[in-house]
Amino acid sequence: GAVVSQHPSWVICKSGTSVKIECRSLDFQATTMFWYRQFPKQSLMLMATSNEGSKATYEQGVEKDKFLINHASLTLSTLTVTSAHPEDSSFYICSARVEGNYNSPLHFGNGTRLTVT
Amino acid sequence: DAKTTQPTSMDCAEGRAANLPCNHSTISGNEYVYWYRQIHSQGPQYIIHGLKNNETNEMASLIITEDRKSSTLILPHATLRDTAVYYCIALTYNQGGKLIFGQGTELSVKP
Repeated sequence: GAVVSQHPSWVICKSGTSVKIECRSLDFQATTMFWYRQFPKQSLMLMATSNEGSKATYEQGVEKDKFLINHASLTLSTLTVTSAHPEDSSFYICSARVEGNYNSPLHFGNGTRLTVT
Repeated sequence: DAKTTQPTSMDCAEGRAANLPCNHSTISGNEYVYWYRQIHSQGPQYIIHGLKNNETNEMASLIITEDRKSSTLILPHATLRDTAVYYCIALTYNQGGKLIFGQGTELSVKP
């Protein structure tokens, strides 16, 4: 149980276009999901907290107008990278916790590798 | 959340126990110790967590010192598939339970 699925697993797009990444909790509900970014040879960096039915909370230094987050239901959060540039190329990973159970671990998706050409 | 310190890298022989240390000397009373690992190009995988008591599951054991300032993750019989980056994280749920990752320990299991 507690499976988090991301789609797509990889995407290549041209500079200036927008890319949407989906994060789904397959067998549980999640009011809150988290989005991370990871560059090669580096650790995961938390980008934002996605809250169902309300605005996302962004970490310091993350541009909210560039990384649009929508958490429309208890099982789906989306991250849209707008006007992507080569420096946005990275590994994007989402995570979620079983709703209402604060003493349970965060479960992670398998990530989306974005390459902007 | 308390800062954790881990060795950058470690080697372990296949079939032997891998003991991964973590220092969290500033941990507060309500912070849990979580361990995750990340195999190359995959999302992090939960391993185990604990507050005060030692914990064991099918993957590993977690030994937390009595003063809670450090802990050790033990993989009892390491296999080549255990080669990964292991992250030790101190987590409190006060700020929504978000995980802040450090640099972790790169464990290489060698035949």
